Amino acid sequence: GQSLEQPSEVTAVEGAIVQINCTYQTSGFYGLSWYQQHDGGAPTFLSYNALDGLEETGRFSSFLSRSDSYGYLLLQELQMKDSASYFCAVRDRFTGGGNKLTFGTGTQLKVEL
Amino acid sequence: DTAVSQTPKYLVTQMGNDKSIKCEQNLGHDTMYWYKQDSKKFLKIMFSYNNKELIINETVPNRFSPKSPDKAHLNLHINSLELGDSAVYFCASSQDSGHYEQYFGPGTRLTVT
Repeated sequence: GQSLEQPSEVTAVEGAIVQINCTYQTSGFYGLSWYQQHDGGAPTFLSYNALDGLEETGRFSSFLSRSDSYGYLLLQELQMKDSASYFCAVRDRFTGGGNKLTFGTGTQLKVEL
Repeated sequence: DTAVSQTPKYLVTQMGNDKSIKCEQNLGHDTMYWYKQDSKKFLKIMFSYNNKELIINETVPNRFSPKSPDKAHLNLHINSLELGDSAVYFCASSQDSGHYEQYFGPGTRLTVT
């Protein structure tokens, strides 16, 4: 089966840089996604890595190492509005022939002044 | 314009009742999903439909029955509700079953008393 591990909670100050790690175990791996969810809100897509390396989108970057089954989300110039839960999710093969997302347990990021 | 909408937003009901949640997407996507998020924020896929056909059916009690009348709609009917069904249910859609970016609805918070 699949399993994903990420830290349950991370705290950082406004303006800082924070890295949220994700390790995974799965078969039929296609790629790693990151989603953000504010309290009471819906998950929203942040980034996707199918190949090794760094993808940058504004203040957020995501990294993948397929050989290490590891990825991370890097948030720069932290703002108070970045306080939210961040989920990594593997896109992998489903036994029925399609593919699906399996989510990690989420990392609660608290940004302080 | 709301991309993925769900009704109702809140649902409070008693054990043993039957209830339905409706979902609609106006993105022209082919694939729709139901996820369950429990009190610990663990987000798990339940079902997926592609062009009205069921393609993912995770280990879900058969009290849960999805229905897709057309590719823009995916409803979830739950029979004989149990306390453990209390959760937030999210509908989502993606361009097709192989696309990595999923768009989530606002969620339906179901409370079973």
